[in-house]
Amino acid sequence: SQQGEEDPQALSIQEGENATMNCSYKTSINNLQWYRQNSGRGLVHLILIRSNEREKHSGRLRVTLDTSKKSSSLLITASRAADTASYFCATDKISGGYNKLIFGAGTRLAVHP
Amino acid sequence: DAGVTQSPTHLIKTRGQQVTLRCSPKSGHDTVSWYQQALGQGPQFIFQYYEEEERQRGNFPDRFSGHQFPNYSSELNVNALLLGDSALYLCASGGQGYSPLHFGNGTRLTVT
Repeated sequence: SQQGEEDPQALSIQEGENATMNCSYKTSINNLQWYRQNSGRGLVHLILIRSNEREKHSGRLRVTLDTSKKSSSLLITASRAADTASYFCATDKISGGYNKLIFGAGTRLAVHP
Repeated sequence: DAGVTQSPTHLIKTRGQQVTLRCSPKSGHDTVSWYQQALGQGPQFIFQYYEEEERQRGNFPDRFSGHQFPNYSSELNVNALLLGDSALYLCASGGQGYSPLHFGNGTRLTVT
């Protein structure tokens, strides 16, 4: 089963616009990570936010985390055609002393020139 | 510095057959995790290996098994293949603690 649920499932925007993706999860977490996947390829880590953090920035990326609502958002500003990809949130859960990542179903972002 | 490498990139098998997928972790990483990603879905955790032992397992049947070698590389074996096993199989490596995972480009398995 998947811990996170991304919203929307698909997003289509024009270059230069901002893209916002949301993620909700069910159980308590240690941290939340966002990954990007170009079509049919491996996932690339974008950003990690710890459970005691509320906001984090990395270049054109801004991530927020609201542990009371069990939700996170990823904002990509000034989008480019090269940002076209699927974006996944993943929650980091300790089990038996070891951490593992549980991924959501992803948001498919299309940025049109 | 090589990242995570997986082989083969593509594989076609028939129902009932067995398959072995291979993964070499990123240099310096000692933990390997395997994920199954069906078309249009997020990756699903299969299991994780550390110090040549399976230390966590997701909700996958015993047909899925693995191994980690002393050089930290890993294999995923799937027996008695079903059509539903068709997916992209991703290997990811990481260090200890809450470090981000580094993924390979996956093996696309098609079961006919």
